Amino acid sequence: DVKVTQSSRYLVKRTGEKVFLECVQDMDHENMFWYRQDPGLGLRLIYFSYDVKMKEKGDIPEGYSVSREKKERFSLILESASTNQTSMYLCASRQGTTTDTQYFGPGTRLTVL
Amino acid sequence: GDSVTQMEGPVTLSEEAFLTINCTYTATGYPSLFWYVQYPGEGLQLLLKATKADDKGSNKGFEATYRKETTSFHLEKGSVQVSDSAVYFCALIGGYQKVTFGTGTKLQVIP
Repeated sequence: DVKVTQSSRYLVKRTGEKVFLECVQDMDHENMFWYRQDPGLGLRLIYFSYDVKMKEKGDIPEGYSVSREKKERFSLILESASTNQTSMYLCASRQGTTTDTQYFGPGTRLTVL
Repeated sequence: GDSVTQMEGPVTLSEEAFLTINCTYTATGYPSLFWYVQYPGEGLQLLLKATKADDKGSNKGFEATYRKETTSFHLEKGSVQVSDSAVYFCALIGGYQKVTFGTGTKLQVIP
């Protein structure tokens, strides 16, 4: 069974803290993605990566960075957390073609106080 | 750029009612189309997909047909159950491998 795991289901941080969200997939997928999900806005793409050490900005990259040192792991970093980054963060992975299914992790509910 | 528009929710239905959730899209070329479902407290999971015009995706009693002439991919189910209560997302993959999601439609099925 395919699996995408995220390091935490719930996280509470303070404004200004550096936050790391980890995502691991066991399907040897090339592409990995980070989204945030907010009510009424659906899913918005923050960053994606199509190979190790490669990254591309999505629609809302401001305030975030990413790291992909190994194929199976894709990290999202909030350099200095702010209250407007309180959200549900979803990681996903997909093999290379446009017809392939995207597999999602369970999500991390981040609250920034 | 690419976009997906789906009907506003929430949608409330009685058990065994017929379900339609509308989805239309704008994209260049020939996108692949998907429906994802998110149950409470979980991530998204693929419900069905269609990769070319006139294809019909189906799973768990849900169906959707890729209509290029109307740029639509409406989700239907003949008889919903309480266990179908979830949020449903329409999505497409167009050029550059990017996935574009709709805003989601919450379905609540009452006994």
